[in-house]
Amino acid sequence: AQSVTQLGSHVSVSEGALVLLRCNYSSSVPPYLFWYVQYPNQGLQLLLKYTSAATLVKGINGFEAEFKKSETSFHLTKPSAHMSDAAEYFCAVIYGGSQGNLIFGKGTKLSVKP
Amino acid sequence: NAGVTQTPKFRVLKTGQSMTLLCAQDMNHEYMYWYRQDPGMGLRLIHYSVGEGTTAKGEVPDGYNVSRLKKQNFLLGLESAAPSQTSVYFCASSYPPSWETQYFGPGTRLLVL
Repeated sequence: AQSVTQLGSHVSVSEGALVLLRCNYSSSVPPYLFWYVQYPNQGLQLLLKYTSAATLVKGINGFEAEFKKSETSFHLTKPSAHMSDAAEYFCAVIYGGSQGNLIFGKGTKLSVKP
Repeated sequence: NAGVTQTPKFRVLKTGQSMTLLCAQDMNHEYMYWYRQDPGMGLRLIHYSVGEGTTAKGEVPDGYNVSRLKKQNFLLGLESAAPSQTSVYFCASSYPPSWETQYFGPGTRLLVL
């Protein structure tokens, strides 16, 4: 079965430090890839998406992700963490022919220490 | 433009009771989806619809039914609620050609006792 794996259910960084959240997908066929953010008691907001254009994708709030086919990865980064980045982040994938059915990773909760 | 709205925001049910969750979108989107979110599980697709009058099963459809009688509404029904259906339910919608980008509602928190 197709899947997406997020390494680390909790990540803690200091304010101003690099944020790196890891995501790997399972298919050899490049899918569509997404990062969503969920703030407490809210719905999901799209951060960025990869749809086979540029491999380095820039999103909102200073986040970016790089698609690496050889590593089947789509890691999310931000150079300098801000307190407001504390949230849960979900990597998701749509595989070809699935009519938009998103497959989500289990999520990574990001904590930012002052 | 309200986007995707969900009704109710929170509900408590007793085992065996039934209820319907309503998702409404005012963006004229073709595709609509129902997910459930459980701790440590991410979101899992329950049912989806690619147009008015059409529905299809997702990853975890058992115990749920759906209907899409109007393009803007997607209903999720629980005929006989079970404690295992305690979850947060999210609705989403999308449209061609950017069908891959889904817009999410704020969620419905359901507790089944």
